[in-house]
Amino acid sequence: GQNIDQPTEMTATEGAIVQINCTYQTSGFNGLFWYQQHAAEAPTFLSYNVLDGLEEKGRFSSFLSRSKGYSYLLLKELQMKDSASYLCAVRDLRGSQGNLIFGKGTKLSVKP
Amino acid sequence: DTEVTQTPKHLVMGMTNKKSLKCEQHMGHRAMYWYKQKAKKPPELMFVYSYEKLSINESVPSRFSPECPNSSLLNLHLHALQPEDSALYLCASSQAPQGADTQYFGPGTRLTVL
Repeated sequence: GQNIDQPTEMTATEGAIVQINCTYQTSGFNGLFWYQQHAAEAPTFLSYNVLDGLEEKGRFSSFLSRSKGYSYLLLKELQMKDSASYLCAVRDLRGSQGNLIFGKGTKLSVKP
Repeated sequence: DTEVTQTPKHLVMGMTNKKSLKCEQHMGHRAMYWYKQKAKKPPELMFVYSYEKLSINESVPSRFSPECPNSSLLNLHLHALQPEDSALYLCASSQAPQGADTQYFGPGTRLTVL
């Protein structure tokens, strides 16, 4: 089966750094995605990891450890507009298909 | 360009109505997806089309009927819906279902069933 866990809510201060963790258990792992979703909007792609290590993209970085079933999203120099839900999603190979299984999301509130 | 468009943005319908949601992408992607998202919940996969053929149906009730007329278009036909079907319906596309392909989401259609 599949199981993806991430904290429900987090609060951080503008200008600070925040790390959002995600742990997963899946039988056919083929990559982990992070999406940002503002209220009542569609998810926006942030990052993708399929090999162990850190992927950096501007203020956002994502890390993956396949042996530990663990990933984190690191947000630096937080801005008010970073207040959103952050969804961890694992690509699960089912036959020849690669479908995304989403975690419940972490609602991040950035305060002045 | 990573744009997926969806129409309409908002839809209100009665339980006896028939309506359709539309999704379009011009990125040459060969996999398209329908997701349903309830408030404060993650997106849940409904259907996957791979090379214009339905490849996955996640046990979705028959009152939801997907259609893929061509490689750029994906429709979701709605008939005899229930109030609990009210949700944000998201369309996504990716290069192909296999491999390291990112799914790009459209803005969604917010559906209210009265």
